[in-house]
Amino acid sequence: DAGVTQSPTHLIKTRGQQVTLRCSPKSGHDTVSWYQQALGQGPQFIFQYYEEEERQRGNFPDRFSGHQFPNYSSELNVNALLLGDSALYLCASSLEKRGYKNEQFFGPGTRLTVL
Amino acid sequence: GDSVTQMEGPVTLSEEAFLTINCTYTATGYPSLFWYVQYPGEGLQLLLKATKADDKGSNKGFEATYRKETTSFHLEKGSVQVSDSAVYFCAHMTTDSWGKLQFGAGTQVVVTP
Repeated sequence: DAGVTQSPTHLIKTRGQQVTLRCSPKSGHDTVSWYQQALGQGPQFIFQYYEEEERQRGNFPDRFSGHQFPNYSSELNVNALLLGDSALYLCASSLEKRGYKNEQFFGPGTRLTVL
Repeated sequence: GDSVTQMEGPVTLSEEAFLTINCTYTATGYPSLFWYVQYPGEGLQLLLKATKADDKGSNKGFEATYRKETTSFHLEKGSVQVSDSAVYFCAHMTTDSWGKLQFGAGTQVVVTP
C-alpha cells in the first residue's frame, strides 16, 4: 500500500519564477492538504482540497493556488516566487469523515529553494 | 486564536535519560491532540494521538496524556536512545477543522551515546 508521494524531491528556482509541486494521496484517501514548513519552524497550513475544490485556506496570498484531480491527486502552484517561499512543502492526505478524526498522513515533502 | 506552544530546543540528553517535552494549546471546543516526529531530511510521522480528555496516547515507549484542565499534552519517554534524535511537533485538530492541523514550532532532541 503506497503512502503519500510527492514530486519532485528538490527544486531550485529563481525569484519571479513559477513552480508546480505534485502530490499523490495514500490509497483510498480523498482529501489533500498542503503545508509550508520554513527552516526551523512548524508546518503552516496552506489549503485543503476535497471533491476537486479548495475547501479551506490558511493565511497565504493568492500567489499560492492549487488543484485536485478526479483521481484525488493534487498540485500546488506558486507564482512570482519570493526568497521567503524557500521551504519544505508537505502534502498530507486523509479520508473525509465528519468530525475531528481525519488522521493526516504526510508525504516526504518537496524542498524548494528560491535564489 | 488557536495555537500550540511547545518548549524550545534543542534538548540534549544522554542515552537512557528521561525525556519530557512540554506542550500547551489554546483551542475552541475539544480538539484532538497529536505528537509528530520528523527525522533529518524526512517528512512528518505520527507518533501518538489522543482524542479526548484523560486519554493517554502511547507508541514506541513515548507517552502523552490529554489534560483538559491544564490544556496540556506533554510528551515523555523513560529511556531515550540515540535513534530518538529528531524534531518533535505537538499539534491539535479542532472538531470543525476538517482535519486541519495547527502545529507548534517543534523541539529538537539530540541524544548522545
